[in-house]
Amino acid sequence: TQLLEQSPQFLSIQEGENLTVYCNSSSVFSSLQWYRQEPGEGPVLLVTVVTGGEVKKLKRLTFQFGDARKDSSLHITAAQPGDTGLYLCAGDPGNQFYFGTGTSLTVIP
Amino acid sequence: EAGVTQSPTHLIKTRGQQATLRCSPISGHTSVYWYQQALGLGLQFLLWYDEGEERNRGNFPPRFSGRQFPNYSSELNVNALELEDSALYLCASSLSLAGAYEQYFGPGTRLTVT
Repeated sequence: TQLLEQSPQFLSIQEGENLTVYCNSSSVFSSLQWYRQEPGEGPVLLVTVVTGGEVKKLKRLTFQFGDARKDSSLHITAAQPGDTGLYLCAGDPGNQFYFGTGTSLTVIP
Repeated sequence: EAGVTQSPTHLIKTRGQQATLRCSPISGHTSVYWYQQALGLGLQFLLWYDEGEERNRGNFPPRFSGRQFPNYSSELNVNALELEDSALYLCASSLSLAGAYEQYFGPGTRLTVT
């Protein structure tokens, strides 16, 4: 069992569509990070959410931290082919840094 | 400012050999993390070093080891290589031990064991 479960695992959508990726846990996190990884490269940090209920926007990406700080979501509006990649949530519940299971997104032109 | 660097980019070894992977963190970062990412899978935590000390290790056998040098660079050693050790090995660095310590990743070393 993974500490951070992401859903869906795979997502293939047409350019211009909206999508939401979820990151869930039974543990409480002081903060959660979201990363995007392209094939053969290291993950790149997108955002950190710290406060329960916090919403952060990064252009067409909206990140939300759950009120209980156990879950987070990433919403992409009008997806572009450049959004293609592996999206990973990550955080430390107090003893070790964990990465989520990942969501592989493909945006078809 | 230079990012996290890793060397070599690619490494090909045969089963039973040893591999050494290197990582230089972002200037000012004292923590270094190592992760293994097998093809198509998520990141599995290997080791965490801070201020020269091993702070935590993941669920990997003892043949995976490493160290952190006084300049905060780090080395990952994998002994008695097995075929399933083939993976992308990622190094990350961060500023501090506590709080929302955000990790910055290098490009990785692709290890292939034949």
